[in-house]
Amino acid sequence: SAVISQKPSRDICQRGTSLTIQCQVDSQVTMMFWYRQQPGQSLTLIATANQGSEATYESGFVIDKFPISRPNLTFSTLTVSNMSPEDSSIYLCSVDEGQLETQYFGPGTRLLVL
Amino acid sequence: SQKIEQNSEALNIQEGKTATLTCNYTNYSPAYLQWYRQDPGRGPVFLLLIRENEKEKRKERLKVTFDTTLKQSLFHITASQPADSATYLCALENSNYQLIWGAGTKLIIKP
Repeated sequence: SAVISQKPSRDICQRGTSLTIQCQVDSQVTMMFWYRQQPGQSLTLIATANQGSEATYESGFVIDKFPISRPNLTFSTLTVSNMSPEDSSIYLCSVDEGQLETQYFGPGTRLLVL
Repeated sequence: SQKIEQNSEALNIQEGKTATLTCNYTNYSPAYLQWYRQDPGRGPVFLLLIRENEKEKRKERLKVTFDTTLKQSLFHITASQPADSATYLCALENSNYQLIWGAGTKLIIKP
């Protein structure tokens, strides 16, 4: 199974600033996913990141707010732009085994926006 | 649209007993359903996947059932231990081949 790391593990940010979260995988994967999880809530998919193409965003999420990079098959970044307190959440990246049947998650980035 | 419902209330179980968690879904019938475990401050960890043509699947002390008529999956932990305390999430593939998630049920095993 893939081993995934995320940086930073947590951060406290000021309103109006931006934060870039990094996700590193120990093997090459085709698809990487970015999720948001607010306390007591289910995981919400933000976007799917494929190497060499633009990320595919889910309803309610836009590239200007959550730009994503996928420079190679082992790495991706998610930026939370122009943050507001409503962006306070846990952000998780994940990869699948190729058929979307099992997903492996990073430890998450806990973000607090003041 | 596809919806998943898991009991939002924490489930308290005495150590050694069987814990049973429920996952109900509406509308589209998924080809498979998955269960994950999530500990505080950590990402979810995959436990089991059960397909629509499987009634039951086991892995050590874990058992999952899948009733496509009732649109329900049950997740059982037998001989429960305090270390089993965590939040358990179910997830399934919707008609757009996307994985959607329940909010999870917090399980507390008391010694």
